[in-house]
Formats: sequence, C-alpha cells, structure tokens
Amino acid sequence: DAKTTQPPSMDCAEGRAANLPCNHSTISGNEYVYWYRQIHSQGPQYIIHGLKNNETNEMASLIITEDRKSSTLILPHATLRDTAVYYCIVNAGNMLTFGGGTRLMVKP
Amino acid sequence: EAGVAQSPRYKIIEKRQSVAFWCNPISGHATLYWYQQILGQGPKLLIQFQNNGVVDDSQLPKDRFSAERLKGVDSTLKIQPAKLEDSAVYLCASSLDMSSYNEQFFGPGTRLTVL
Repeated sequence: DAKTTQPPSMDCAEGRAANLPCNHSTISGNEYVYWYRQIHSQGPQYIIHGLKNNETNEMASLIITEDRKSSTLILPHATLRDTAVYYCIVNAGNMLTFGGGTRLMVKP
Repeated sequence: EAGVAQSPRYKIIEKRQSVAFWCNPISGHATLYWYQQILGQGPKLLIQFQNNGVVDDSQLPKDRFSAERLKGVDSTLKIQPAKLEDSAVYLCASSLDMSSYNEQFFGPGTRLTVL
C-alpha cells in the first residue's frame, strides 16, 4: 500500500505557481520523498526527491516540513504542458510504490 | 542519450492467447523494472532485475507471467495465457543501479487489450 495521501485533483491557472501537497505521516528516518509525474499516454517522469532538506532543480522545488510528515511540490510558473498526474512516493530504497496521485489541470 | 525503448506500443489479443513485450533500457543501466498500470491507477511494480538477476518478483503472477533479462541488457515480459484483467499498460523502466537516489527512466509503455 502507498504510504502517502494526495488530493485526487487540483486546478491551477497558467503562469501561476502550482502547489501540490502530500501527507506521509508514517515516513521513516531513512525514507526519501520522491515526486514523479505522468503526462497522458506517456511513462512517468522523475521530477525531484529529498530526504530532509528542501530541494530545487530546473523543474520544481520540494518543501519538506521539519517533522517530515508532509511535503509540497511547487511548480513556480505552471504551463499547459504541466497538466499531468503527479505522484508523491516515499521509500528507503529505489523501489517505487505509486498511489493514485494528484491530477493537476493547468488552465489558460 | 536514447531513452528506454519498448515494443510493441499496442497489442490486442484474445483471452487465453500468449503475448510478449520487449524492453531495451538506457545503455549502462544495471537495474530494470517492469510495471503494470491499469486504467485510472498508478503503476504497480511486477519485477525488478539487477543485471540479469531477479531482485524482487513478489508481485508477479507467476502462474501466467514470466520475465527474463538473459544478458543483463534487454528484457522480455511474457503473459501466457492472458486473461481479461491483464488489459493494462506495461511500462519498462531502468536506473543506473539500485541506489535510492538514482531516478528511474520510463519507456512509453505497451498498451495491451485482452478481448
């Protein structure tokens, strides 16, 4: 079973920041938080991952709370191409257990 | 660099028939994964290889599914005989190795329809 809880869907206006929450209250000390996304009819795509500290790359930022029980993926300037299902996954190894994810719809 | 290649992209068969899917991972990637994604759900891991050895196949229905990665590069996933509930997208992914910080790269998938 997935160890994360995500809202099933969210909308975001094009050009605005998209903030996708994830709850992982049972996360263990050695488990990472991963984010992947899946655009329609494509395979999942890695976005970012973190352990304790906030992380940023060219795609997104990952904010992890101090108690590590929740995190937020931030897409700073969402575009129509960011419309996808976003998966938050926690795991100690590299085996990914996908839940239902959040379906993000970016609207013009 | 070239991504993960899968073929065929689409396959339609009747129940009780056999089917095979092929995956070519990214060059140099030691770890290969097969996932099953049923419509409306997230992908579910079926089997994980490290080079040509199986690391985890606990979710593989071994009475009908089999997979191999003989030379530690390409892999095939076979279903024999297929059931209606096997209709899904079969995704192949690869990563450099099993380290937790190594991202998985996914192929486009094979969409299987069992009639």
